[in-house]
Amino acid sequence: AQKVTQAQTEISVVEKEDVTLDCVYETRDTTYYLFWYKQPPSGELVFLIRRNSFDEQNEISGRYSWNFQKSTSSFNFTITASQVVDSAVYFCALSEPYGGATNKLIFGTGTLLAVQP
Amino acid sequence: EAGVAQSPRYKIIEKRQSVAFWCNPISGHATLYWYQQILGQGPKLLIQFQNNGVVDDSQLPKDRFSAERLKGVDSTLKIQPAKLEDSAVYLCASSQEAGEISYNEQFFGPGTRLTVL
Repeated sequence: AQKVTQAQTEISVVEKEDVTLDCVYETRDTTYYLFWYKQPPSGELVFLIRRNSFDEQNEISGRYSWNFQKSTSSFNFTITASQVVDSAVYFCALSEPYGGATNKLIFGTGTLLAVQP
Repeated sequence: EAGVAQSPRYKIIEKRQSVAFWCNPISGHATLYWYQQILGQGPKLLIQFQNNGVVDDSQLPKDRFSAERLKGVDSTLKIQPAKLEDSAVYLCASSQEAGEISYNEQFFGPGTRLTVL
């Protein structure tokens, strides 16, 4: 069965601290995609990154970086020098090609990040 | 480019009443998704359309929920009769045609927050 686990329910940091959000996934398939989405208080889900299962290279985008390790089925997200605007709920998600092509997203329960000034 | 539009943004009803939500996807997007997000949880896919055909409705409670996508563009999700546990945010998303080989990013609307009293 496909499953995404985000064990950290809430994290509180002070501005400028680095923070890592953990994501562990389960899947039977060899081809899959992993995602991170941000959900600010406004409620809209904002796409941050997509990785496919064949690409284990880590990625950096500004203050954001992602560490994908197939050996531990993890796809962790680090924010460097956090800012108040980073405060939001962050979701990790998994998608698999399926039969007639659904590409549906399976989300974790989310991590609420609060960045204090 | 206009994003995914949803209305209403908020709805309060009493249990056993009926309610309908509307979604207008991004122009040209063949695939439309409805997700249910209960407070404290990640979004869960209810139904996926490809053009105006249903691809996946395995998690849609069909005794009370129904959805349609007219002419492969707008979509309506209905709940009749509503229960207390239907209180949630209902998110609509759209993407270019879902494929088994490639993945097309899902773009989310702002959601409709439903409260059932």
